[in-house]
Amino acid sequence: KQEVTQIPAALSVPEGENLVLNCSFTDSAIYNLQWFRQDPGKGLTSLLLIQSSQREQTSGRLNASLDKSSGRSTLYIAASQPGDSATYLCAGIAGAYSGAGSYQLTFGKGTKLSVIP
Amino acid sequence: ETGVTQTPRHLVMGMTNKKSLKCEQHLGHNAMYWYKQSAKKPLELMFVYSLEERVENNSVPSRFSPECPNSSHLFLHLHTLQPEDSALYLCASSQDQGARAKNIQYFGAGTRLSVL
Repeated sequence: KQEVTQIPAALSVPEGENLVLNCSFTDSAIYNLQWFRQDPGKGLTSLLLIQSSQREQTSGRLNASLDKSSGRSTLYIAASQPGDSATYLCAGIAGAYSGAGSYQLTFGKGTKLSVIP
Repeated sequence: ETGVTQTPRHLVMGMTNKKSLKCEQHLGHNAMYWYKQSAKKPLELMFVYSLEERVENNSVPSRFSPECPNSSHLFLHLHTLQPEDSALYLCASSQDQGARAKNIQYFGAGTRLSVL
């Protein structure tokens, strides 16, 4: 069974800093890994999707990498801003399931990011 | 807006009530999901409807009953819930192309459920 761990659980940084959020997973037979952002009381916003054949994806100030062999993904945020404050979740589709269930995402608990002005 | 709309946004119900959560997607997707987000726990899949096949998490109690009348609508019927069922219930949709690597799920804003 796939397990996803995110460290740290919470992170506070001053505005302008570059930062890295970490995600590790136990099943290297991962098909994709998705990074989401969740604002308090809100749903999830998809940030980046990395397919298993890819090593990284970039969108604006965000860069996500995937290393299947080590079971790790990182989300790099450049020049952080107060508006980046949110909980960041990583989730992957693993190879352990079949049929319609094969599309289920396994989530980590998230990293709560606070960017201090 | 993600194209996935959930109603209501907030719901308070007693343990003897019957209520339903609604999800509608305007993305033309063929798969829909219910997830549960409890405090201090990872999001957990409850049900999947993909290409008219239903899959459920075996740990979901029978007091939760999903319904998917068509590919655009998904319901979660609730009856005789317990206080520990209080959580954020999230709906998602995706286009099942038969390639798991390309499956991107889009989430609604969720329904915050409180069971008294």
